[in-house]
Order: sequence, then C-alpha cells, then structure tokens
Amino acid sequence: NAGVIQTPRHKVTGKGQEATLWCEPISGHSAVFWYRQTIVQGLEFLTYFRNQAPIDDSGMPKERFSAQMPNQSHSTLKIQSTQPQDSAVYLCASSLDWGRDEQYFGPGTRLTVL
Amino acid sequence: GDSVTQTEGQVALSEEDFLTIHCNYSASGYPTLFWYVQYPGEGPQLLFRASRDKEKGSSRGFEATYDKGTTSFHLRKASVQESDSAVYYCALSETTNNNNAPRFGAGTKLSVKP
Repeated sequence: NAGVIQTPRHKVTGKGQEATLWCEPISGHSAVFWYRQTIVQGLEFLTYFRNQAPIDDSGMPKERFSAQMPNQSHSTLKIQSTQPQDSAVYLCASSLDWGRDEQYFGPGTRLTVL
Repeated sequence: GDSVTQTEGQVALSEEDFLTIHCNYSASGYPTLFWYVQYPGEGPQLLFRASRDKEKGSSRGFEATYDKGTTSFHLRKASVQESDSAVYYCALSETTNNNNAPRFGAGTKLSVKP
C-alpha cells in the first residue's frame, strides 16, 4: 500500500498561470478530501468527494478554484490564474468511507506562485 | 456549525516536561474526536480517536479523554521527547450527518529542546 500519492511534490508557477494538482487516493477508499495549509491559516478544508460525487465544497474559493474526481483512482485540484496568495501546501487525504473514519494524508504539493 | 478550538498556537518545552494541549469543540450532535500529528515534510497522521463520552484514546505515550460535559479532548503526555516536536491537530467528525467533512483546529506547534 503506497498510501495517498500526490504529484507534483513541488510546483512553481508565474502569476496568472494555471496549476493542476493530482491526487491518487488509497485503493478502496471512497472519500477524498482536499485541504490547503499555510503558516497563517493552518489547515483549511477545501472540498470533499464521496464515491466520486462532490459532497461539500464549502471551503473552496468561489473563483479560480475547481476540483474533479473523474474516476475512483484520482482527483485533481485546478487553480486558474494563480496569484501569490495561492502559495501554500495543498494536501489530499482519503478515508475508507466517510468523515468519521481515519483520514490518510498524502505528503502534499507545495505550490509557489511568483 | 461544528468547530474545534485549540488555544495554544505554540508550545516550547524541555525533554521530560509534562505536555498539555487544550482542545475544545462545538458540535450539535455526538462527534468522533481525533488527534493528528504532522512532522515536517509530511501530511498529518492519526494519533488516536475517541467516539464516546469518557473514552480514552492513547498512542505513543499521548492520551486524551473525551469529555462531553466540558466539550473537551485535551492532549497530554507525561514526559515529552525531542522526537515529539511536531504540529498537533485536534479534529472532529459529526456522526449525525455523514455528509459533513471533518473539522480541524488551528494546530499547535510543539518544540521540545534536548
């Protein structure tokens, strides 16, 4: 079991460019979560899928951010027209079923917007 | 909505000191409570959880007791080691609505001097 895989581990983009972050959850897990982590804000919930369906996206910024889960083996977080304030570590987690279960986190993708 | 409050943003101790990190929660139902630990360069990982009033969770010398009366789940360790230096997150997951994603506290950075 390789755990939750996130690629790339580091990404540097210029202001205004698009960034796509990938997450491969643990096989057999039906819930996938995205979080953003910064020193100032800590761990912020972004969005959550269960059985590939979007369940709760209350933490997603209304503009420029979107997430998909086209199949059970991967999810993507896309940020359009990146801004310096988007610089953060983006963490993906999966759990066996729903929110009450233990979450397994990936190592994160560190996004730097210049 | 549901929320978790960790009062200490940073804690600095020496080896063999006693540790307490305070966690209080607000939830409409009967949540499951978690402690996660995050080491540098890694995603958070589960330390332990508790689901019932007065239940004690424990792992690696850390422990916390679910207290519904005071809505608390304080993390304690009798004698910390330098290797315990990490960020600790308290989290809750509401059990009455299985569409709710877990909520995390702001995190407490523990630094232990040798």
